[in-house]
Amino acid sequence: AQSVAQPEDQVNVAEGNPLTVKCTYSVSGNPYLFWYVQYPNRGLQFLLKYITGDNLVKGSYGFEAEFNKSQTSFHLKKPSALVSDSALYFCAVRDPFGSARQLTFGSGTQLTVLP
Amino acid sequence: NAGVTQTPKFRVLKTGQSMTLLCAQDMNHEYMYWYRQDPGMGLRLIHYSVGEGTTAKGEVPDGYNVSRLKKQNFLLGLESAAPSQTSVYFCASSFIAGASYNEQFFGPGTRLTVL
Repeated sequence: AQSVAQPEDQVNVAEGNPLTVKCTYSVSGNPYLFWYVQYPNRGLQFLLKYITGDNLVKGSYGFEAEFNKSQTSFHLKKPSALVSDSALYFCAVRDPFGSARQLTFGSGTQLTVLP
Repeated sequence: NAGVTQTPKFRVLKTGQSMTLLCAQDMNHEYMYWYRQDPGMGLRLIHYSVGEGTTAKGEVPDGYNVSRLKKQNFLLGLESAAPSQTSVYFCASSFIAGASYNEQFFGPGTRLTVL
């Protein structure tokens, strides 16, 4: 069975500093990995995905994520955080051999960027 | 292009009452999903549909039923609501296009409270 872990419930970072939101995964084959962001009282918005190819994936709003197969990780990063980046971030994994394109989500990490 | 819409946005039920949540998408997506979001637990899949007239169980299907009579609509029903079903419900959709890794598009959510 596939699973995702986001080890930090809360991440605080000062505006202008780099940010990292951690994610590790477990699947039986090569994973499809996603990051989503949720602003208060809104639905989830897609940020980026890793399917295959370059381990560094670039996405929306200046975010990027690095796929590390040996460490089974897919950490979300941004070189310079903005106050407007404050939101709830979810990592998700899909087992390419699993049933019906289901995604398994992590429990979420609340990112707060301090001015 | 409205994307994914959900009706209603908020609802309060008494234990034992029934209700139906409506999800509509105008992107001609084949796949549709219903999730529930609870604090600290991420999103959990309730039911999903891979096309008009088809539905399948997800991770937490008990107490819910679904129907997909039209491609653009996916209904989630609670026949006899219980306090444990107090949650925020999200609908999502995705297209196939030969790519099972396509990201999901989410609606704004329905906040349901069962007293």
